[in-house]
Amino acid sequence: EAGVAQSPRYKIIEKRQSVAFWCNPISGHATLYWYQQILGQGPKLLIQFQNNGVVDDSQLPKDRFSAERLKGVDSTLKIQPAKLEDSAVYLCASSSAGSYNSPLHFGNGTRLTVT
Amino acid sequence: GENVEQHPSTLSVQEGDSAVIKCTYSDSASNYFPWYKQELGKRPQLIIDIRSNVGEKKDQRIAVTLNKTAKHFSLHITETQPEDSAVYFCAAKGNTPLVFGKGTRLSVIA
Repeated sequence: EAGVAQSPRYKIIEKRQSVAFWCNPISGHATLYWYQQILGQGPKLLIQFQNNGVVDDSQLPKDRFSAERLKGVDSTLKIQPAKLEDSAVYLCASSSAGSYNSPLHFGNGTRLTVT
Repeated sequence: GENVEQHPSTLSVQEGDSAVIKCTYSDSASNYFPWYKQELGKRPQLIIDIRSNVGEKKDQRIAVTLNKTAKHFSLHITETQPEDSAVYFCAAKGNTPLVFGKGTRLSVIA
């Protein structure tokens, strides 16, 4: 099966600029996640979608981050305005909804550098 | 919420030796414990997982053990090979979304 697709692969922006990331999950996967992975740390959940509804966004910095999954398939994550501390890899993951503890499948991520 | 602690942060072993990585979790409701391997510049990939109704699970050279009473679980890699070199993450999930440990950088020296 095709994996989780993400774009772009790399992005360099200046602080206070805006940026958007795109994710296409594995076909049929109802649950989609956005994780932030700062260098040397484990992934941290930003937001979880079930179909097109938000399940958990408790760790999303809502003053600058937003995400949507309008048709329950693709998703976009936006940062506006970016700060230096937003430099990280942004990982999208998906899982099937059939099992409560179904494994997460990660995309290759977008490496964001904020200068 | 859930908190996952992982040790050690770095681990070096000689090729052929065993490697053990340990994690503790805080939420007694957690019932799913996956382990991910992340090679440099690549995505995390699931290598093994265990559910709370099982105490041990093995897949070739990899095994995971779970002690629910003590709230800790461990990854065991036997007969390590250079291609096992990577960062390994444990994670725990119960009523909250999956929470990851900070990772262990494993280096297998040929």
